[in-house]
Amino acid sequence: DTEVTQTPKHLVMGMTNKKSLKCEQHMGHRAMYWYKQKAKKPPELMFVYSYEKLSINESVPSRFSPECPNSSLLNLHLHALQPEDSALYLCASRQADRDGEKLFFGSGTQLSVL
Amino acid sequence: AQSVTQPDIHITVSEGASLELRCNYSYGATPYLFWYVQSPGQGLQLLLKYFSGDTLVQGIKGFEAEFKRSQSSFNLRKPSVHWSDAAEYFCAVGWRPGGFKTIFGAGTRLFVKA
Repeated sequence: DTEVTQTPKHLVMGMTNKKSLKCEQHMGHRAMYWYKQKAKKPPELMFVYSYEKLSINESVPSRFSPECPNSSLLNLHLHALQPEDSALYLCASRQADRDGEKLFFGSGTQLSVL
Repeated sequence: AQSVTQPDIHITVSEGASLELRCNYSYGATPYLFWYVQSPGQGLQLLLKYFSGDTLVQGIKGFEAEFKRSQSSFNLRKPSVHWSDAAEYFCAVGWRPGGFKTIFGAGTRLFVKA
């Protein structure tokens, strides 16, 4: 299994809603990432978890709250979002071995905030 | 600060023609270098990577890239483009500031004409 699975694929939410994005991988990778990608822009790093601990937070607003319950799961909890938060949210896991490092990406969750 | 520059926002090539996408990076040491491809609304797929050794690396789908330290470049090439290669291409650099951080260039949109 070389997949990173993200659910849901699409999400529409109001500014007062609370929702969560889910990411799952069963490749045994111990680092997982959240990226945000606006239309026609590159992915921007939000968070990195390494061994279930938050290792990088790119000054992301607190209305985005990541969680890593175990080494296979990564969640992104959303609360009181703004319309400008509408974007494709990508999850990735990192493989590190003698061959170097590389990221495996999920297909993303397309989020629309109304 | 680390950065990645892709000077071409979009490129159009004829099917069967050769392709070169440019990438320049800024980093104090030799970074990990990557090329990813993204189809609309999808996640990113790794084409190839470099972190040491032979400076000419081969990837999937017939792509190759050459690392040139003197020019801080990592250009992507393909000898004969297929219509299915039309997509967005991102060059990326990775390094270890405590975690493993990967940032992306702005991307180059490839159009293939028949």
